[in-house]
Amino acid sequence: DADVTQTPRNRITKTGKRIMLECSQTKGHDRMYWYRQDPGLGLRLIYYSFDVKDINKGEISDGYSVSRQAQAKFSLSLESAIPNQTALYFCATSDPKLAIAQYFGPGTRLTVL
Amino acid sequence: LAKTTQPISMDSYEGQEVNITCSHNNIATNDYITWYQQFPSQGPRFIIQGYKTKVTNEVASLFIPADRKSSTLSLPRVSLSDTAVYYCLVIIRMDSSYKLIFGSGTRLLVRP
Repeated sequence: DADVTQTPRNRITKTGKRIMLECSQTKGHDRMYWYRQDPGLGLRLIYYSFDVKDINKGEISDGYSVSRQAQAKFSLSLESAIPNQTALYFCATSDPKLAIAQYFGPGTRLTVL
Repeated sequence: LAKTTQPISMDSYEGQEVNITCSHNNIATNDYITWYQQFPSQGPRFIIQGYKTKVTNEVASLFIPADRKSSTLSLPRVSLSDTAVYYCLVIIRMDSSYKLIFGSGTRLLVRP
């Protein structure tokens, strides 16, 4: 969905480095999510935020942190990247007033060497 | 603890109806079931949602039996462009939080 953008699209980094993945949306949705996708495991929820002052841990939050800078921006940080954090990361948004549907960004492919 | 299970893969031919089932135990009456389609190198795309009986939209139908232990995504008359991975997602409300559980995906191959 072009209304949800993620930067960078690809990133290669080394073990121990701090990495920030950014997500922006123009859909005006209050709810935003970060997922990671690994082959054969589907998508797993890292963190979610229902508004600017609300942050919730998902299924696999260890090793990650997030910041909701504004309604439209939700950043995911890896404070000290490790190789098993190599994955495809997706940001998503949803508007509970309209539907349960989530709208996903194009993804960020992160490789930790 | 809720868990979702889907078949790993399915094959079909153009013009056929395809039914993909997701098993999900321990979900409550108002917990939602949603389905997504994903093409390589893209984010998942919402297809349909529901929490009981049957829902139909312009691209698919979703059937949820009374016991709600499973749901079936039905794609009528598939085409080659429907080749993708399909995920079910169960959204479970827990007191003041939510639990979102994706299935591991069903890889659908549509043959000419």
